[in-house]
Amino acid sequence: AQKITQTQPGMFVQEKEAVTLDCTYDTSDQSYGLFWYKQPSSGEMIFLIYQGSYDEQNATEGRYSLNFQKARKSANLVISASQLGDSAMYFCAMREGLLTTGNQFYFGTGTSLTVIP
Amino acid sequence: NAGVMQNPRHLVRRRGQEARLRCSPMKGHSHVYWYRQLPEEGLKFMVYLQKENIIDESGMPKERFSAEFPKEGPSILRIQQVVRGDSAAYFCASSPTAGTGLVETQYFGPGTRLLVL
Repeated sequence: AQKITQTQPGMFVQEKEAVTLDCTYDTSDQSYGLFWYKQPSSGEMIFLIYQGSYDEQNATEGRYSLNFQKARKSANLVISASQLGDSAMYFCAMREGLLTTGNQFYFGTGTSLTVIP
Repeated sequence: NAGVMQNPRHLVRRRGQEARLRCSPMKGHSHVYWYRQLPEEGLKFMVYLQKENIIDESGMPKERFSAEFPKEGPSILRIQQVVRGDSAAYFCASSPTAGTGLVETQYFGPGTRLLVL
């Protein structure tokens, strides 16, 4: 089974509107971390936001917020007031707490977001 | 404070040649991770190293691929006798401490794009 699933290969959003990028995860561990990264056309990976499995409140970082629904195992990224510079690939990732796998991040296949002027 | 540095940014090799990819972690970081991103896919973990030690190489192909992180100098990902299927983006990430801190993100370099002709 896939550890991270992103079901939206591509999304479009009007400038200044909000957009939600979906992410579901699969783990049997109770302790894990969820991350979102942005990859613009230049190719670098930019860390956006983090949510811990024990965090009771949804994480927020500026215009980014993470809609964390633990029972549904979802960690959707919400971008408010979209800007043209938000056009990029967005990757959801998970790090498990197990000592045997805690070294690595599991990444989804990404969602390509295009912001329309 | 310089981020994770990778070079070269682009590398072209003919089938059968060797590819050497270099990664200098962020200052103060002694943990290095290599990931591979095939076209249209997310990043896949390859190997985790500390200085002079390979900690987890569960994602490395068994043949032709090797990695090292010497006491002095950058981490090297080496691919011998490259084939067309090795064409991908190879990302290096670093972190300051060991992988049991869930909140701790990994900081990614800009990647090396390898093209095998």
